[in-house]
Amino acid sequence: EVQLVESGGGLVQPGGSLRLSCVASGFTFSSYWMTWVRQAPGKGLEWVANIKQDGGEKYYVDSVKGRFTISRDNAENSLSLQMNSLRAEDTAIYYCVRSVSMAYWGQGNLVTVSS
Amino acid sequence: DIQMTQSPSSLSASVGDRVTITCRASQGIGNDLGWFQQKPGKAPKRLIFGASSLQSGVPSRFSGSGSGTEFTLTISSLQPEDFATYYCLQHNSYPHTFGQGTKLEIK
Repeated sequence: EVQLVESGGGLVQPGGSLRLSCVASGFTFSSYWMTWVRQAPGKGLEWVANIKQDGGEKYYVDSVKGRFTISRDNAENSLSLQMNSLRAEDTAIYYCVRSVSMAYWGQGNLVTVSS
Repeated sequence: DIQMTQSPSSLSASVGDRVTITCRASQGIGNDLGWFQQKPGKAPKRLIFGASSLQSGVPSRFSGSGSGTEFTLTISSLQPEDFATYYCLQHNSYPHTFGQGTKLEIK
């Protein structure tokens, strides 16, 4: 069974940093692109970033470029999202998702940016 | 950026109805399109990939069609558990983009 378990969310002040993690199981992690998607409270889905199997290609939505960094550790079956210079508009549930076409989703992790 | 225009934004329907949701892409995306269902407080669930391929385990009353710029999700006979919000996603070019969602409510 495919499982994606996120952790690391919480409350942070504007300008602060947070690191989200996602541990994968039930599939060969190193064989898949991985993606982060977010959803602001009461709003729709927004693609944030994704990373190729070997970490050699990474893509970001413009609003997070230069502030967020996606990375992965295939030996540990883990995906991360380092979020710096956080803004109120980054407040959202962040989902770890398998593949570009988003076949499997984690349960989501809430990040709240507020003073 | 490719814009995905989803319609309608909300829809009231009854159990047993046939329902169609449309997504239009601002430029051609081949068949790099998926449909997702999201219920309150839950993660989205993929229903359709490659525009028309049914995700394993998804009931056959769901179907997808289209290619290029116009796509549809059809639910042939609504069931009580189908009342949810639906999103399309294009993953043809970056940034990948979702439609704004269609909230399907009980009439």
